[in-house]
Amino acid sequence: DGGITQSPKYLFRKEGQNVTLSCEQNLNHDAMYWYRQDPGQGLRLIYYSQIVNDFQKGDIAEGYSVSREKKESFPLTVTSAQKNPTAFYLCASSMGRDQETQYFGPGTRLLVL
Amino acid sequence: DQQVKQNSPSLSVQEGRISILNCDYTNSMFDYFLWYKKYPAEGPTFLISISSIKDKNEDGRFTVFLNKSAKHLSLHIVPSQPGDSAVYFCAASRNAGGTSYGKLTFGQGTILTVHP
Repeated sequence: DGGITQSPKYLFRKEGQNVTLSCEQNLNHDAMYWYRQDPGQGLRLIYYSQIVNDFQKGDIAEGYSVSREKKESFPLTVTSAQKNPTAFYLCASSMGRDQETQYFGPGTRLLVL
Repeated sequence: DQQVKQNSPSLSVQEGRISILNCDYTNSMFDYFLWYKKYPAEGPTFLISISSIKDKNEDGRFTVFLNKSAKHLSLHIVPSQPGDSAVYFCAASRNAGGTSYGKLTFGQGTILTVHP
C-alpha cells in the first residue's frame, strides 16, 4: 500500500533536548512538507522540499531543521531553540504537477516533559 | 496575520440536511483553493478544490463555491451523513504560472457534527 508513515505517534521531549520526527513516503512524490497544528489553529508550514538535497523554510521555521537526503524521507528535528514545541506535527507529500493536493501522514504528537 | 479565516469553529447539522462551511481570505493573490477533511488522530485528506477561473466545482455530494469579489468560498455537503463528521480545513495558494511550490495557507478549521 502506498502512503506516508510518521513515527513515533507520540514523542516526549525533555528541556534542552533535540528530537527527530520521522516521515517516509512510498508514493514516489517529489515534494514533501512539514506542518505544525496547534489547538484552534490551522496547519502552519514549517519546511518544504521540492527535490532531494534541497529544502526551503516555511512560515515558522525557527527552532526546526530538516534534511532531504533521499526522495522517500524527510525527517524533522525539533531543536532546543524551539521554545514551544508541544504540538501535532504533520508530514505531507505531493506530485510535481499538482503540488497543492497533498497527502498527509497520520501525524506525531510532541509533548514536553 | 490570518490570511485564511474560518469564522465558525463548529457546525451541527441533522443527517440528510445541507452542511455549509464557510471560508474567507484576505490575500487577493490567492488563486487556488482547496478543502481538506480531518478525522481525529489522522492526517487531513484532500476533498475538493477550485481554481479562481471558476465559481463552482462539484464532486458528488460536495460542491465548492467561490466568490472572488467577496473573497469568500464555501463548501456545501448535500445530503450530510454521520460519516461526514470531521474537521474541515480550507486552504489557499498562489499558483500563478505553477510556481506555488505547494505552499498552502490553511484556515483554523470547522468541526462538523452530523447527527443521525
